[in-house]
Parts: sequence; structure tokens; C-alpha cells
Amino acid sequence: EVHLVESGGGLVQPGGSLRLSCAASGFTFSMYSMNWVRQTPGKGLQWVSYIFRSSSTIHYADSVKGRFTISRDNDKNALYLQMDSLRPEDTAVYYCAREGIGSSYYMDVWGKGTTVTVSS
Amino acid sequence: SYELTQPPSVSVSPGQTAIITCSGDNLGERYVSWCQQKPGQSPVLVIYRDTERPSDIPARFSGSNSGNTATLAITGAQTMDEADYYCQAWDSDTAYVFGTGTRVTVL
Repeated sequence: EVHLVESGGGLVQPGGSLRLSCAASGFTFSMYSMNWVRQTPGKGLQWVSYIFRSSSTIHYADSVKGRFTISRDNDKNALYLQMDSLRPEDTAVYYCAREGIGSSYYMDVWGKGTTVTVSS
Repeated sequence: SYELTQPPSVSVSPGQTAIITCSGDNLGERYVSWCQQKPGQSPVLVIYRDTERPSDIPARFSGSNSGNTATLAITGAQTMDEADYYCQAWDSDTAYVFGTGTRVTVL
């Protein structure tokens, strides 16, 4: 069965850093592009970052560009999000989501999310 | 930046058809997908590539996309379909874009 499990969330002060991880299982991780998507409490979904299956192409939302870094380790079936210079507005549930096979432009599998709280 | 707009809420009686719209410039030229999110749960894909349905999604869910508007229809809506629904598209400048979300109430 296909699974994505996020970890690494927690409480951090403004200006601090966190590293999120997403462990993938049940599919050939290296064949799929991946995304991070976040959701502020009571609000909608916001796409954060995308990484191509070989890491050759990476995209960021303007709101996190220059502060967040997405990466992956295909040998470990893992996706990461390094978050630096965190702000209160980064408080959200962060989901990792798999893109459909090929350059498909949709997300077909989602994890349960990990909560990041940025507060003093 | 590219934007997708949805109505905040849609209400429908059980057994009736719920229609959720998603509007964006020349949206019909892009592939649109839809996901369902129930309270406290992760999103679930219900429609992709405008009209395709994952194998585990009931046939009462259908999609279309033309001009500036994509539509998700729930034909014969059930109380279990109460959820937030988000459209999503890809933009070459913005990458992934989500719609503003629509809360569907079945009562």
C-alpha cells in the first residue's frame, strides 16, 4: 500500500529553523515528482514547493523562496523541507504529496501532515 | 500570479446534484484536478486531468473544463460527500495553484 509519512514538525520561535521529512513506501519513489503543500488552520491549501523525480527541477512559492529548501534522497525514499528564517505566517500543517506518474500536474497521494507552529 | 476562484459554499439536498465551479484565465487550456478534504483529514484526489476519476472514487463524481471555468459535479450527493473541495491547476510561472476552496453541505 502506498504511504507517505511526514515528521519533524513542532514549535519554533520566529527566525528559527526546522527540517521536515517525508518517508515514502509502497511505490518506486524515484519515479515520482513530489510536493510540499501547507494549510493554515481553518484556511485553504497552499502549494509550497515541488521537486522533480531526479531533483533536476525545483520550484518554490514566492512566499517561501529564499527561506525554504526542498530536497530528496531516492536511495532512502525520503523527501525533505529545510525551513529557515521562519515567520508566524508559516504556521500550518505541512503535507507531502506525490505527483501522478509522468509530468501529470496533479497530486494523487497525500500524507497525514505534520504541524509547524512558529511563535515566541 | 495565476489565481483560481471558487464559491465559498454550496448546499444541496441529499440525492440532488452539487455543482462546484473553479474559475481562472483560460483555464480550459490547462489540466484541472479536484481534491476532497473532510474535517481533520488529508486531501483525497477525486478528479484529475479534467475528467478522469481514480479507481476508488465513486462514479457520482465527474468533472469538466472549458473556457475559463472548470466544474466538479456530484450527482446524487450523499451526506458522506460533505467536505471541502479544492480545484488545482499547473501554471508555468507559479507551478501548482490551488483554488480558494468550496465547502459542500448536504442537508
